[in-house]
Amino acid sequence: TQLLEQSPQFLSIQEGENLTVYCNSSSVFSSLQWYRQEPGEGPVLLVTVVTGGEVKKLKRLTFQFGDARKDSSLHITAAQTGDTGLYLCAGVMNTGFQKLVFGTGTRLLVSP
Amino acid sequence: EAGVAQSPRYKIIEKRQSVAFWCNPISGHATLYWYQQILGQGPKLLIQFQNNGVVDDSQLPKDRFSAERLKGVDSTLKIQPAKLEDSAVYLCASSFMLGGGPYNEQFFGPGTRLTVL
Repeated sequence: TQLLEQSPQFLSIQEGENLTVYCNSSSVFSSLQWYRQEPGEGPVLLVTVVTGGEVKKLKRLTFQFGDARKDSSLHITAAQTGDTGLYLCAGVMNTGFQKLVFGTGTRLLVSP
Repeated sequence: EAGVAQSPRYKIIEKRQSVAFWCNPISGHATLYWYQQILGQGPKLLIQFQNNGVVDDSQLPKDRFSAERLKGVDSTLKIQPAKLEDSAVYLCASSFMLGGGPYNEQFFGPGTRLTVL
């Protein structure tokens, strides 16, 4: 059972456009991570957000953790073709050991 | 620093056959994970090792899947017998230590794409 729902599932935009990806859950997580995965490769960590309401910026990417630590968003400003990939959020559950629960994924295609 | 290595990269088998995947984590990483990623979905944790001990295998279908990490380094994941629904990418990941706080990072290998016909 996937505890984390991402929307949209698929997004196709032109270079230069802005976009937001949402990650929602009914569960509370101790922290939340965002990954990007390219075809034929494993996911690569982009950021970890820990505190409710936290906002982190990574160049053109802005990540926000919801106040209740149940949801998160990823905003990309002026998308580039290099941003194309599968974006995955992952909730971190501390059940005595760190366990990641991945979201359903958002596939982003940025065209020139 | 070398990344997580996995082999083979691709495998095609018929249902009811057996298959094994191999993973070599980043040197010095105590924790090793196996994930299953079905097309169009996010990865699902199958099993997590701390050194050579299992800390979580709650989502491993134990009637057909098995995994071991005998010397606390390399690991193998086996499926016997395979079913059609096992078609997926099997990802191996490693991290420096168990827990390690919220910023503990998992490093993923490229995965093995399994097709069961």
